[in-house]
Amino acid sequence: GQNIDQPTEMTATEGAIVQINCTYQTSGFNGLFWYQQHAGEAPTFLSYNVLDGLEEKGRFSSFLSRSKGYSYLLLKELQMKDSASYLCAVFLTILTGGGNKLTFGTGTQLKVEL
Amino acid sequence: GAVVSQHPSRVICKSGTSVKIECRSLDFQATTMFWYRQFPKQSLMLMATSNEGSKATYEQGVEKDKFLINHASLTLSTLTVTSAHPEDSSFYICSALDSITSYEQYFGPGTRLTVT
Repeated sequence: GQNIDQPTEMTATEGAIVQINCTYQTSGFNGLFWYQQHAGEAPTFLSYNVLDGLEEKGRFSSFLSRSKGYSYLLLKELQMKDSASYLCAVFLTILTGGGNKLTFGTGTQLKVEL
Repeated sequence: GAVVSQHPSRVICKSGTSVKIECRSLDFQATTMFWYRQFPKQSLMLMATSNEGSKATYEQGVEKDKFLINHASLTLSTLTVTSAHPEDSSFYICSALDSITSYEQYFGPGTRLTVT
């Protein structure tokens, strides 16, 4: 089956750097997404990695190692508004029947404190 | 960027009634749409994949006769929760897959369903 793991909760200080890890064991891997979700709202896209390496986008960076089944999201210069749930999601090719689907990890609730 | 709308945003219904939720891609075509359910403090759980012009593909454990999905056009998919029960109360979110890129998913704002 598919297995995607993230820490449940993390706390960090405003202005600091935080790294949220995601490990996965899946078949039909076709890329990895990171989303941010505030309570009661839909997820918003942060990053997409399909090749190994680091993708940087402003204060957010995402890393992928396909051989290790591992990704992380790095948030720099933390702000209070970054307090949210961060979801790792693996884009999978459906091996029987075709098509693709997104399978979400458990989500990490990040709390940014003063 | 691409926009996906959902209607209604909130709905309260009585136990035993049916509720229809609409998901529309406003400025792009989506041959594939997805329906997710999210319980409080949990992640999104994929319920089904909705394919335009064909039957939906349901995830294991999701009752297809209870959660009816119709994807009649390239911009509209509907989810009908039939004979709703209080345990169906949840946040339902749809997403639409951009037919051109085939990997970018755009999420709707979600529908909060409360069954009394």
